[in-house]
Amino acid sequence: QQQVKQSPQSLIVQKGGISIINCAYENTAFDYFPWYQQFPGKGPALLIAIRPDVSEKKEGRFTISFNKSAKQFSLHIMDSQPGDSATYFCAASMNKGTYKYIFGTGTRLKVLA
Amino acid sequence: DTEVTQTPKHLVMGMTNKKSLKCEQHMGHRAMYWYKQKAKKPPELMFVYSYEKLSINESVPSRFSPECPNSSLLNLHLHALQPEDSALYLCASSQVSQANYGYTFGSGTRLTVV
Repeated sequence: QQQVKQSPQSLIVQKGGISIINCAYENTAFDYFPWYQQFPGKGPALLIAIRPDVSEKKEGRFTISFNKSAKQFSLHIMDSQPGDSATYFCAASMNKGTYKYIFGTGTRLKVLA
Repeated sequence: DTEVTQTPKHLVMGMTNKKSLKCEQHMGHRAMYWYKQKAKKPPELMFVYSYEKLSINESVPSRFSPECPNSSLLNLHLHALQPEDSALYLCASSQVSQANYGYTFGSGTRLTVV
């Protein structure tokens, strides 16, 4: 119930294409869903996050789509660039007195020039 | 200042050594975290401090000893580590509030135990 399942494990996209990464969760008590981007040798950086009261959030080329009934959320990267090549982690957390994130297993994205 | 600063960036230590990792932030965040990350894996939570008090210990072996001397500083003391403890150790901080605004991670300390 505490797991967040992430797919695919790796993804190769042509420059200018759309990258899509999916996550699914079981625990309906989760109410905050961030995406983190991590470059080799660096710590994860918060990319974009969503709460379950909205179905979509867009920031620049990055969009989160959220389906509360299906308990799924996804990251779309529009016009993917080689500089987007990194590992992406979805996560989920609850606000109720805990600051613990449950991370997905990660997706290694490679954008070909 | 919107950064979490971790030192050292790299550390090689023997199994009998004692060393410490340091983490500092000046964003006024009152929650601070230690995570461990193995290659090609997600970060795993080790400890959470809230208002300088330990609030979560994820059953971490006693050879890892956290310390939060003040609201800006977090240390991780290491003693008698094993080679399997080699990993990237990440510090993070966040606000303490009803609404979650995400973590800010540092760049980590790459630890190698020989």
